[in-house]
Amino acid sequence: DAGVIQSPRHEVTEMGQEVTLRCKPISGHNSLFWYRQTMMRGLELLIYFNNNVPIDDSGMPEDRFSAKMPNASFSTLKIQPSEPRDSAVYFCASSLGTGNTEAFFGQGTRLTVV
Amino acid sequence: QQQVKQSPQSLIVQKGGISIINCAYENTAFDYFPWYQQFPGKGPALLIAIRPDVSEKKEGRFTISFNKSAKQFSLHIMDSQPGDSATYFCAAIGVGSNYKLTFGKGTLLTVNP
Repeated sequence: DAGVIQSPRHEVTEMGQEVTLRCKPISGHNSLFWYRQTMMRGLELLIYFNNNVPIDDSGMPEDRFSAKMPNASFSTLKIQPSEPRDSAVYFCASSLGTGNTEAFFGQGTRLTVV
Repeated sequence: QQQVKQSPQSLIVQKGGISIINCAYENTAFDYFPWYQQFPGKGPALLIAIRPDVSEKKEGRFTISFNKSAKQFSLHIMDSQPGDSATYFCAAIGVGSNYKLTFGKGTLLTVNP
C-alpha cells in the first residue's frame, strides 16, 4: 500500500482565494482525520470522519473551513476565502477504526497564503 | 484547553545519553497513549504506545513509563543516536475524548554526535 496520499505537497495562494487540499486514505481504513500543524499551536485536530461521516468537527476554526468525504477513498479540506493566518502544514491521517488503533499520516500539504 | 501537556519543548542530548520526554493528561477517560516521531518534511509516525493497565512498555531502546495515579507518562530513549533527532509527540485517545487523537505540543530532540 502506498500509504496516505495527500496533494498537493505545497500550495502558495493569495489571500482571498479558495484552497482545496486532497487526501486518499489507506484502503480499508474507515477513520480519517485532518490535522493542522503550526509552530505556535502544534498538531490540532480539525475534523475526523468515521465511515465517511463527520463525527467531530469542533476543531474546525471557522466557517471558512469545510471538509467532505464523498467516499471511502477520498476526502477534501477546503478553505474559502483563505487568509495569511491559515498558513500551516495540513496533515491527513487514517486508521482502521475509532478505537485504539494506529493513525497513519500522509506527507502533509504545506500551505502558504500571501 | 490543552488536554495533553508535554515537556520540554526542546532537548539536546549527547550521543549515548538518555533522552526523557514527559507528558501529563487531564481526561481520565483516555485509554491509549501513543508516542509519535516526526522527521522534517514528513508526517508523524507511530513509535510506541501503551495502555494504562501496564506501568511500562519497552521496545528496543524506547521505553514508555506510565503512572496512572499521577496521570503522567514519559518516553525514555536509551543510548540516544544522532538518527533519533526528530520531533516527538505524546498523544492520548479514548472513549471519553470521543476517540479524538489529542497530541501534546511536541519536543524537538537533537542528539549531538
